[in-house]
Amino acid sequence: GDSVTQMEGPVTLSEEAFLTINCTYTATGYPSLFWYVQYPGEGLQLLLKATKADDKGSNKGFEATYRKETTSFHLEKGSVQVSDSAVYFCALRNDYKLSFGAGTTVTVRA
Amino acid sequence: GAGVSQSPSNKVTEKGKDVELRCDPISGHTALYWYRQSLGQGLEFLIYFQGNSAPDKSGLPSDRFSAERTGGSVSTLTIQRTQQEDSAVYLCASSVDGGSGDEQYFGPGTRLTVT
Repeated sequence: GDSVTQMEGPVTLSEEAFLTINCTYTATGYPSLFWYVQYPGEGLQLLLKATKADDKGSNKGFEATYRKETTSFHLEKGSVQVSDSAVYFCALRNDYKLSFGAGTTVTVRA
Repeated sequence: GAGVSQSPSNKVTEKGKDVELRCDPISGHTALYWYRQSLGQGLEFLIYFQGNSAPDKSGLPSDRFSAERTGGSVSTLTIQRTQQEDSAVYLCASSVDGGSGDEQYFGPGTRLTVT
């Protein structure tokens, strides 16, 4: 079945540091790939997505590229802020179901 | 406009009792999903409704779990004879039509604690 493996946390960074969260997947067919974010006390929100190979999703300074050859969708941000502290989930979608990774908790210190 | 709403936000129940969790999707969205977020299992799919089609119940963990969607809008997830392992946050999401390019919008969740 479909599955997503993402880098385990927690990750603690200083403000303006570079962030990478690794994500790899196993799936049949051609899934769409997503990063969701859950800020403290809030619900799950879509951060970015890519629907086919070599697509790059981007939002709020975050980027991720759909790499079919390595079955990866790593999340990156060049300069994090305290407000980026959250739990980040990598997910794939085949048909309508989302399959999520375990989540990575990121804390950014001022 | 209004997002997905869920009620109650928190529910504490005794082992063996039945509980009902409610989801109000975004108006006009025909697709509705339930997921569960628990410490041991992460985020997992439970059930999917699309219009008048038969729901996909493949993610329901046991026959104690059931869900219905009345009038193509509000959905209720029912857990009978609750067990401690049912403790989790239950998330509802809706989307326009369930298509592959469709964004799922999540509600704030119901935190269920079984004592």
